[in-house]
Amino acid sequence: SAVISQKPSRDICQRGTSLTIQCQVDSQVTMMFWYRQQPGQSLTLIATANQGSEATYESGFVIDKFPISRPNLTFSTLTVSNMSPEDSSIYLCSVGDGTTQETQYFGPGTRLLVL
Amino acid sequence: SQKIEQNSEALNIQEGKTATLTCNYTNYSPAYLQWYRQDPGRGPVFLLLIRENEKEKRKERLKVTFDTTLKQSLFHITASQPADSATYLCALGQYSSASKIIFGSGTRLSIRP
Repeated sequence: SAVISQKPSRDICQRGTSLTIQCQVDSQVTMMFWYRQQPGQSLTLIATANQGSEATYESGFVIDKFPISRPNLTFSTLTVSNMSPEDSSIYLCSVGDGTTQETQYFGPGTRLLVL
Repeated sequence: SQKIEQNSEALNIQEGKTATLTCNYTNYSPAYLQWYRQDPGRGPVFLLLIRENEKEKRKERLKVTFDTTLKQSLFHITASQPADSATYLCALGQYSSASKIIFGSGTRLSIRP
């Protein structure tokens, strides 16, 4: 298993601003994933971040809005840009186990409220 | 489009009884199905994985069944305890697209003493 930490744990932001969320893993991993979980909703995959390459975004999510960095095998950041109240959500990073990536280990999440 | 439905948003069970949660899916052929537990303010925690060629999996008080014909999984917690109160998520995955695990919206389970 992997231990994942996220910063910040929560934040309240003004619309139009940007917030960068950090995700740190206690071991080296190839793929890291960023999810969004809106209240009462399922987890929605935003993008997959591979070290040394551009992140792969899911339908409905674009790099200009959610730029991702992956500078090494234990760290990633997700920026929520030009925020609006609709971006209020919990943002979670996760990593897969071993080579199969079947099971995912999640960070505690970042609870974002945009006013 | 792919769709996952979990039987209800909330389920209330008397302590000691068996809690049964349902996960149904459409327009998808998963290679495996997982169940996660999520407590308020925390990320999901993996509980069990069952593959398409498996009918049943057990882990302590947990049991999962997987019926690919019915496109359904049942998740059972026997001898339920108040500490089992949480939201339970089912998730589907395919080996050809390992990164794209699809999650249901979850069932909030409450075990009353």
